[in-house]
Amino acid sequence: NAGVTQTPKFQVLKTGQSMTLQCAQDMNHNSMYWYRQDPGMGLRLIYYSASEGTTDKGEVPNGYNVSRLNKREFSLRLESAAPSQTSVYFCASSAQGLGGGNQPQHFGDGTRLSIL
Amino acid sequence: AQSVAQPEDQVNVAEGNPLTVKCTYSVSGNPYLFWYVQYPNRGLQFLLKYITGDNLVKGSYGFEAEFNKSQTSFHLKKPSALVSDSALYFCAVRDRTAAGNKLTFGGGTRVLVKP
Repeated sequence: NAGVTQTPKFQVLKTGQSMTLQCAQDMNHNSMYWYRQDPGMGLRLIYYSASEGTTDKGEVPNGYNVSRLNKREFSLRLESAAPSQTSVYFCASSAQGLGGGNQPQHFGDGTRLSIL
Repeated sequence: AQSVAQPEDQVNVAEGNPLTVKCTYSVSGNPYLFWYVQYPNRGLQFLLKYITGDNLVKGSYGFEAEFNKSQTSFHLKKPSALVSDSALYFCAVRDRTAAGNKLTFGGGTRVLVKP
């Protein structure tokens, strides 16, 4: 079972370059999420999509944009990369359970992004 | 607002000894609580969750967690730790009354189990 697939796994960018991180899930989940993980700070939510056709800002959305292309795919775009965006980026998905929000999130293995 | 605190950056334990990873939370209403584990160069893997009912929740790989409403805690436990349990552990909370399905994660606790 593939679960949540992220591409690429590694990337090095120069300041000012743009890039799109891809994420796809095969679990028929409604909700998808993008997080960044920095040492000592846990995971911080960048954007999320509660269902196909909707996106909302999370805790740290500045400098990022997202597209929920269809139910399976949710991409994250850096329009003009900055060194502060050096991080590990995780995509996750979850089903919508009864009462919403009590279903676990399933994570991809991350994209390690360095911006010079 | 919702928040999570994991007061210990690292926990060291000898193999075969009990393991406890601490988590406290803050929510306006009632919480959904989760524990995840992360191995090197991998994404987070779900261990267990508390929704309602029995305060002692059992999960994967022999882990369990106890929900304590009065202390707003959700500590992760394992009776006998294995070297393979060495990893990074995250506690997460969602306020049931909040809109959306957003989790707030703690900063993580690194567990090192020594042979």
